Amino acid sequence: AQTVTQSQPEMSVQEAETVTLSCTYDTSESDYYLFWYKQPPSRQMILVIRQEAYKQQNATENRFSVNFQKAAKSFSLKISDSQLGDAAMYFCAYRSGDTLAGSYQLTFGKGTKLSVIP
Amino acid sequence: SQTIHQWPATLVQPVGSPLSLECTVEGTSNPNLYWYRQAAGRGLQLLFYSVGIGQISSEVPQNLSASRPQDRQFILSSKKLLLSDSGFYLCAWSVMNLQETQYFGPGTRLLVL
Repeated sequence: AQTVTQSQPEMSVQEAETVTLSCTYDTSESDYYLFWYKQPPSRQMILVIRQEAYKQQNATENRFSVNFQKAAKSFSLKISDSQLGDAAMYFCAYRSGDTLAGSYQLTFGKGTKLSVIP
Repeated sequence: SQTIHQWPATLVQPVGSPLSLECTVEGTSNPNLYWYRQAAGRGLQLLFYSVGIGQISSEVPQNLSASRPQDRQFILSSKKLLLSDSGFYLCAWSVMNLQETQYFGPGTRLLVL
């Protein structure tokens, strides 16, 4: 079974600075997807960024980028120019690329709580 | 554009009472639908998913059930709530042309007393 590990329960960053959140995963599959979701105090899960394992290029969405190291099974999230609104829980998630069974189950890490200091 | 709704937003129920949480999706057809539960301070656990009307798969045996009476409607139910059913319930949808990326609703906070 796949597992996702986020080793940093909490992190903090100064406003306008850069922070990197870590995520590692364990899988024997070669085709899969990785995601970062943000959960602000409202608790709605918001998609931040998606990475397809078959793509070597790291995904980028505005101030958010990932460092995807497939061989090391590492998928870190970098937030540049941090803003107060970035304060939230961040979850790393894995999804198998095998859809024959019809299930697209996400496996989540336990999350990292990010605080932004003004 | 697609939107997802969940209601109620908050619910306080006594132990042993029934439960019905509703999720609806707008702006897409034949989505895959999911129910997750998040206990306090923990990650998300998939409870049920559905690939079509009347098709429900359960990931975890428990006191809950799910139904999909319409293409874009997903209902989470219980006949008798337990204290352990308290938590935050999230519904999500996905479609093939978005690589089955899951998008979540606003969630329902359930407190069983």
